[in-house]
Order: sequence, then structure tokens, then C-alpha cells
Amino acid sequence: KQEVTQIPAALSVPEGENLVLNCSFTDSAIYNLQWFRQDPGKGLTSLLLIQSSQREQTSGRLNASLDKSSGRSTLYIAASQPGDSATYLCAVKETNAGKSTFGDGTTLTVKP
Amino acid sequence: GAVVSQHPSRVICKSGTSVKIECRSLDFQATTMFWYRQFPKKSLMLMATSNEGSKATYEQGVEKDKFLINHASLTLSTLTVTSAHPEDSSFYICSAILTGTETQYFGPGTRLLVL
Repeated sequence: KQEVTQIPAALSVPEGENLVLNCSFTDSAIYNLQWFRQDPGKGLTSLLLIQSSQREQTSGRLNASLDKSSGRSTLYIAASQPGDSATYLCAVKETNAGKSTFGDGTTLTVKP
Repeated sequence: GAVVSQHPSRVICKSGTSVKIECRSLDFQATTMFWYRQFPKKSLMLMATSNEGSKATYEQGVEKDKFLINHASLTLSTLTVTSAHPEDSSFYICSAILTGTETQYFGPGTRLLVL
């Protein structure tokens, strides 16, 4: 059974810092991995999707990497802003039509 | 971009009543939709996979008769919480997969409070 762990559970940083969020998964036979953002009481917004054959994806100040063999992914946020404050979730999909398994998320607070 | 809506966004009901939550893909067709439940400060727990025109596939531990899922069209799936109890209070989120792709688009969620 796939298990997804995100560390740390919460993170508080001053504005402008670069930061890294971690996601690990127990079964390396994945189809893809996706990072999401969730604001309080809201749904999920997809940030980056990495296919199993890819090593990283970039979008603006965000960069996500994937190391399937070690069961790890990182989300790098450059020059953090208060508007980045949210919970970040990673989700692993095991087959193209299969379900996604989510981590518990990292709650990020960026202080002005 | 692809948009998924949920209705209602928030519902309060008395114990013992049934509540229906709708999930719609507004500008695309979705053969497959997923229903998740999220507890406070916890991640999403997949409840069931809803496939258009067929019966939903429920995850282990999820009661089929309690959480009725209907996916009658390529743009609409409904989740009915039957005989709701306070322990059913939660945040319910649906997602839809754009047919022919692998990308999940999530709805904004429905907060259910059972008194």
C-alpha cells in the first residue's frame, strides 16, 4: 500500500527566503506525482505535475524534482512571498487511470 | 482552463437527513471523477471512483449504502450522504479527469455540518 509522507508538517519563513518542501513515498512504481496548493477552506490548485519519466518541472518561482528510485520529491519555492502562504500537498498516482494517494501536507506561512 | 464546480459549497443539516452534493465539470467532459473526504489538518482520503455509466468503485472501509454515488453524464457526478450523522461532518472534494489526459481538476469543496 502506497504511503506518502510530507515533512515538515508546518513551516514559517520570512518573506524573500528560498525554501524546500519534501515529499516521500514508499512504492517507487508510480505513474506521476503532482504538487497542489490548498488555501484554508478551499479546494486544490494544481501547481506542477511530474511524469514518472521526468526528473523535474518548473513553473515561475516553483521547481519540483522527482527521484523515483529513492521515493522522493521536493518542491522548491524561490523568493517566497506572503501570498505563498497555504498548505502544499503532494499526491502520487500509481497508474494512469488509478487513484492518487495524498500526503498530509505542509502548511507554509510566509511572514512579511 | 478546466473548471470543476461543486454545489452546495456549504450545507448544514439535521442528523438523519440525506444530503446531495453535485460535482460538475463546466467546460470539459470527464469519464472519471473522484470523491474525497478531508478531515481538519489532514490530507484527502479517497472515498470512491465514479465512472460515467457504471457503478462507482469504493475504497475499503467506505460504506456504499451510506455514500451513494451517481455519475449519470460526462459532466455530472453526485454524492448523496444518506441518513447523515455528526461524524459525517467533513469537507468533501471532488475531482474530474479531463478525458484523454491524466490531469485531475479539483472542485472547491463542500463543507458538510451535521447537527
